[in-house]
Amino acid sequence: NFMLTQPHSVSESPGKTVTISCTRSSGSIANNYVQWYQQRPGSSPTTVIYEDNQRPSAVPDRFSGSIDSSSNSASLTISGLKTEDEADYYCQSYDSSNHGVFGGGTKLTVL
Amino acid sequence: EVRLVESGGGLVKPGGSLRLSCAASGFTFSSYTMNWVRQAPGKGLEWVSSITTSSSYIYYADSVKGRFTISRDNAKNSLYLQMNSLRAEDTAMYYCAKVRGSDSGPDYWGLGTLVTVSS
Repeated sequence: NFMLTQPHSVSESPGKTVTISCTRSSGSIANNYVQWYQQRPGSSPTTVIYEDNQRPSAVPDRFSGSIDSSSNSASLTISGLKTEDEADYYCQSYDSSNHGVFGGGTKLTVL
Repeated sequence: EVRLVESGGGLVKPGGSLRLSCAASGFTFSSYTMNWVRQAPGKGLEWVSSITTSSSYIYYADSVKGRFTISRDNAKNSLYLQMNSLRAEDTAMYYCAKVRGSDSGPDYWGLGTLVTVSS
């Protein structure tokens, strides 16, 4: 099994760009797709990126995802930050035993 | 529109049991793997269990294996989670989630049902 490690929190100003990392502890990040979820306070998670870099149709193109084999990590980048982007963000993947793995979550503050 | 509605949560004493249900609509339920995911108060998301379309493959997190049982009834478009020998650390919001596809994660989530284990 592996762990997915995210920064506990990030903050940036409106209109700027922020990147949230998700580092896989063992095994290649490319072995299994990575998803990203947004969770606003008191709400259920929603998908912002699936299968490493695919964006659901309802999600604005300010959100993008990527993976980097050299750092064995996935990244979620949000450009043109808006106050409504303030939320918790979680990365997720599956291990070789088909067990789900979530990162610990990153609290994004837009100030 | 995909809709997932969980029910069955509540307050239960340590050692007790609960059965969660998830009613699905807006998609062909029998064609998708389903997950249960939980979130303890103030904590992050934790994957609990997965069940494939015809229940052929079932997976559990180590933290619940042997105590929880996932099942589904495709005729009723419903997902279940039988939880036995409940512990205080099982206290959480439990979400039902539809999985997008092979090796892809959940794409739709329900609103959740709260389980509180306390004496």
